[in-house]
Amino acid sequence: DVKVTQSSRYLVKRTGEKVFLECVQDMDHENMFWYRQDPGLGLRLIYFSYDVKMKEKGDIPEGYSVSREKKERFSLILESASTNQTSMYLCASSLSNTVSPLHFGNGTRLTVT
Amino acid sequence: QKEVEQDPGPLSVPEGAIVSLNCTYSNSAFQYFMWYRQYSRKGPELLMYTYSSGNKEDGRFTAQVDKSSKYISLFIRDSQPSDSATYLCAMRDQNTGGFKTIFGAGTRLFVKA
Repeated sequence: DVKVTQSSRYLVKRTGEKVFLECVQDMDHENMFWYRQDPGLGLRLIYFSYDVKMKEKGDIPEGYSVSREKKERFSLILESASTNQTSMYLCASSLSNTVSPLHFGNGTRLTVT
Repeated sequence: QKEVEQDPGPLSVPEGAIVSLNCTYSNSAFQYFMWYRQYSRKGPELLMYTYSSGNKEDGRFTAQVDKSSKYISLFIRDSQPSDSATYLCAMRDQNTGGFKTIFGAGTRLFVKA
């Protein structure tokens, strides 16, 4: 079974802090994704990566950046956390083809105060 | 208008009932259709995956796709309290190379014992 592990289940940060969310997958998947999930809005794609050191913006990249230095690891960075970034953050991975479904981690609930 | 519409519920049913969950969509290019189940404080897990129109059955779960009506359904037979979760529909356009999956907002289901 694919395992996608997010390093923190809950995080509380202050406005203006730099925040790192880490994600590791163990199935040698080429693609990795960061989503945020908010009530009534569903899952929205922040960034994705299709290879090491490659990244593409998703639908809501503003205020975020990502890093993929190794194939198994994909980090989401909030450069200067704001209260409107309080959300559930979900990491996912998939194989590099059109049909491969997403496999998700258990999420990080981030609260910015 | 959202690309994918899904009634957020909540939907409350007695144990043993047949549950019908639905999504409508507007993009006729969608070819791959998925249903994810998300338990509270967990990440979404893939439940069903279908390509194009037709039915797919897996145990108590049946997924239906009607591309002519741009309508997909998930049926749960003999529902159990353990089926209580949020169900997310998701779909993908084959032209985006597997990078862009569009999610519904999710339907919360409660199955009462």
